[in-house]
Amino acid sequence: EPEVTQTPSHQVTQMGQEVILRCVPISNHLYFYWYRQILGQKVEFLVSFYNNEISEKSEIFDDQFSVERPDGSNFTLKIRSTKLEDSAMYFCASTEEVLYEQYFGPGTRLTVT
Amino acid sequence: QQQVKQSPQSLIVQKGGISIINCAYENTAFDYFPWYQQFPGKGPALLIAIRPDVSEKKEGRFTISFNKSAKQFSLHIMDSQPGDSATYFCAARSDTDSWGKLQFGAGTQVVVTP
Repeated sequence: EPEVTQTPSHQVTQMGQEVILRCVPISNHLYFYWYRQILGQKVEFLVSFYNNEISEKSEIFDDQFSVERPDGSNFTLKIRSTKLEDSAMYFCASTEEVLYEQYFGPGTRLTVT
Repeated sequence: QQQVKQSPQSLIVQKGGISIINCAYENTAFDYFPWYQQFPGKGPALLIAIRPDVSEKKEGRFTISFNKSAKQFSLHIMDSQPGDSATYFCAARSDTDSWGKLQFGAGTQVVVTP
């Protein structure tokens, strides 16, 4: 069964450093998402991406964040200058059509020290 | 603004018992209500979903009850099993004014004791 994959599974970085989280969505999917989950809290929407551009973003997704689909398979989330409060689990999700089920990856645990 | 409120925060149920998780929403534009199951270290996985044109949907031991006028929906897990121990999230989405953004509840940690 096709699945969304994410790398790395765990990333530790120092405050102020740039990180790139990588996702490989399911191959025929066209809509891509990033969500985050701070430990013990709910899953929060960050951004949606379609046709090589951001279609919607939350207030969390400020200028420190960017997303990119550098090739036909990868979808990345970049945080330019990490803060302690960016420590969270980051989930990538994808779907074939915007009204269909979203499939989530296993997540990347980001720890900012 | 908390658009989807979920309760309880945690739940302990004996094997064979019924687990009930409740959610309430505010935005009347929501028209798709999924429930996700999450095991430790894994991403959320869709369990069951409902749209407002029906009041109940059942899949195996899992049932969603939906009350449009009260803006509430709930998940019932019948004959709960230890393998059901997980965190359950309700969510909501508006299919008309978003690009599929899901709004999640705070989650309910369910523990099923043998």
